[in-house]
Amino acid sequence: SAVISQKPSRDICQRGTSLTIQCQVDSQVTMMFWYRQQPGQSLTLIATANQGSEATYESGFVIDKFPISRPNLTFSTLTVSNMSPEDSSIYLCSVEGLAGAGTQYFGPGTRLTVL
Amino acid sequence: AQSVTQPDIHITVSEGASLELRCNYSYGATPYLFWYVQSPGQGLQLLLKYFSGDTLVQGIKGFEAEFKRSQSSFNLRKPSVHWSDAAEYFCAVGEVMGNEKLTFGTGTRLTIIP
Repeated sequence: SAVISQKPSRDICQRGTSLTIQCQVDSQVTMMFWYRQQPGQSLTLIATANQGSEATYESGFVIDKFPISRPNLTFSTLTVSNMSPEDSSIYLCSVEGLAGAGTQYFGPGTRLTVL
Repeated sequence: AQSVTQPDIHITVSEGASLELRCNYSYGATPYLFWYVQSPGQGLQLLLKYFSGDTLVQGIKGFEAEFKRSQSSFNLRKPSVHWSDAAEYFCAVGEVMGNEKLTFGTGTRLTIIP
């Protein structure tokens, strides 16, 4: 399985500011995913990021609020823009595993608190 | 659209006792099925997965799961739990013909008592 790191591991931010979360993988992967896990909740897919193309966003998530970059096959960023307390969540990136067939491996997550 | 139901929000078992966590899915065909575990403050770790073939799959940490097509279920089991198994467990379904998306259940929180 791939080794995935995320930065920062946690942050406390003020309302109205933006935070960019980085996701780094130790091997080249085609598909990367960004999830949100609100307090006490399950994971909700924000978007799928393929290298060389625009990210595909799920219903309820828009690019202006969650812009994503995917400059190469080992790196992606998710920005949470104009934050409000409702954005307080754990944000996780994942990558498609070599086994394919939907297997995903997850990073450790970024715990975001918005005051 | 696919969906996953984990009917038990919270389960408490004694250390050494057996465990079964329930998962039911809704999908138009045989899906890809997964169990993940999330320890406090950690990301998700893949326990096991089912794609096809043998309906009883073995995973890490002594876990196994059985796919039952007739019941649309993929329950997770362990014969004897350890205190370190206390965590949140998520069942997920993936699309067989699609964009590799996963849909997660709401999770089951497992508490282990001495």
